[in-house]
Amino acid sequence: GENVEQHPSTLSVQEGDSAVIKCTYSDSASNYFPWYKQELGKRPQLIIDIRSNVGEKKDQRIAVTLNKTAKHFSLHITETQPEDSAVYFCAASRAAAGNKLTFGGGTRVLVKP
Amino acid sequence: GAGVSQSPSNKVTEKGKDVELRCDPISGHTALYWYRQSLGQGLEFLIYFQGNSAPDKSGLPSDRFSAERTGGSVSTLTIQRTQQEDSAVYLCASSLPVVAEQYFGPGTRLTVT
Repeated sequence: GENVEQHPSTLSVQEGDSAVIKCTYSDSASNYFPWYKQELGKRPQLIIDIRSNVGEKKDQRIAVTLNKTAKHFSLHITETQPEDSAVYFCAASRAAAGNKLTFGGGTRVLVKP
Repeated sequence: GAGVSQSPSNKVTEKGKDVELRCDPISGHTALYWYRQSLGQGLEFLIYFQGNSAPDKSGLPSDRFSAERTGGSVSTLTIQRTQQEDSAVYLCASSLPVVAEQYFGPGTRLTVT
């Protein structure tokens, strides 16, 4: 089955700096890659996603890139703010398997004011 | 509109007892997923329902776990003879048919004493 690895497990950045989180996946048939943000005690919130027919997607201060050949994808947060502090999870799925998500282990991001 | 709802929000039970966790998906979402998040861990797929098709139970960790979805809407996850290792947050997610984006409920925090 699919295996998703996520790095780093923790990331501390100064407010205003950029944060980058990287994930690799094992199943070349995976075609959907979402990112979720989870604040303490809250539900995971979908913040951005990318499909396998696209190399990059941007939404304001966040962007995701996908390299299908290398089977890795990354989340980029620019101009970080204290409210970006949370745990971020990457995931992968494929439509043929019902889109069930396989998650990475999570990255705890701390933005220091 | 209303999001995914789950009940109870917290459940404390004694080892060996059975528990039932409920999920009410977003109206019109025919796909429903259960995931488990152990303390400080990532999310682990448990089971998936899509319309009237047979559920994908490939993530259930043991035969003590089962789930039903009656009338294509509300789902109940049942854990029989609970063990301490079952302690976790159980999250439900739903999505539209043939659409990959999943939206999560607030979860049920299960503690087995």
